[in-house]
Amino acid sequence: QVQLQESGPGLVKPSQTLSLICTVSGDSIRGGAYYWSWIRQHPEKGLEFIAYFYDSGNTYYSPSFKGRTTVSIDTSKNHFSLKLTSVTAADTANYYCARASDSSGFLTLIWDNWGRGTLVTVSS
Amino acid sequence: EIVLTQSPATLSLSPGERATLSCRASQGASRFLSWYQQKPGQAPRLLMFETSKRATGIPARFSGSGSGTDFTLTISSLEPEDFAVYYCQHLFTFGPGTKVDIK
Repeated sequence: QVQLQESGPGLVKPSQTLSLICTVSGDSIRGGAYYWSWIRQHPEKGLEFIAYFYDSGNTYYSPSFKGRTTVSIDTSKNHFSLKLTSVTAADTANYYCARASDSSGFLTLIWDNWGRGTLVTVSS
Repeated sequence: EIVLTQSPATLSLSPGERATLSCRASQGASRFLSWYQQKPGQAPRLLMFETSKRATGIPARFSGSGSGTDFTLTISSLEPEDFAVYYCQHLFTFGPGTKVDIK
């Protein structure tokens, strides 16, 4: 049973960089056809896809985040990370890491395993 | 970019009643529409994918239908644990959610 766990600072100052790590257990982030993803949710709001890292080394960033987001992996620690630069109060949200599968082979991702989420507040 | 609209925003029902949730896409989504359930303080959980396929461990009272731009999630008889928020998803877009609460 795969498990994902987010970790990182719960408070980030405006204009600084938000950095989170997702530690994966029960599965290797290398060697499978999964899309290791970051998704966020503003308090009492809906879900917003940020980015994914794919096993073959490919990354995809939502256009809403492209340019200030980096996703990378550390296979020795079996974790992947998110960096979001120049944060503002609008980036205050619950950040989830999740594992996605391509259900059809046409990049129709379904997120079937999620971390519990970590709340990041942007405030001075 | 596709936009997903969910209705109603809130559905107030009693245990044992049938729940019908709608998701409409601004452009064709073929059959590639998924549903997630989220309870307070928890991460979303995958319920359905490719419109009508139940994810692992999802009970048969949950069913999905539709194609193209109009999709429906039906809960045939609400159990106490079904009161939650439900999101539809296509590609990288999620709908705004429907809250199913106790009447």
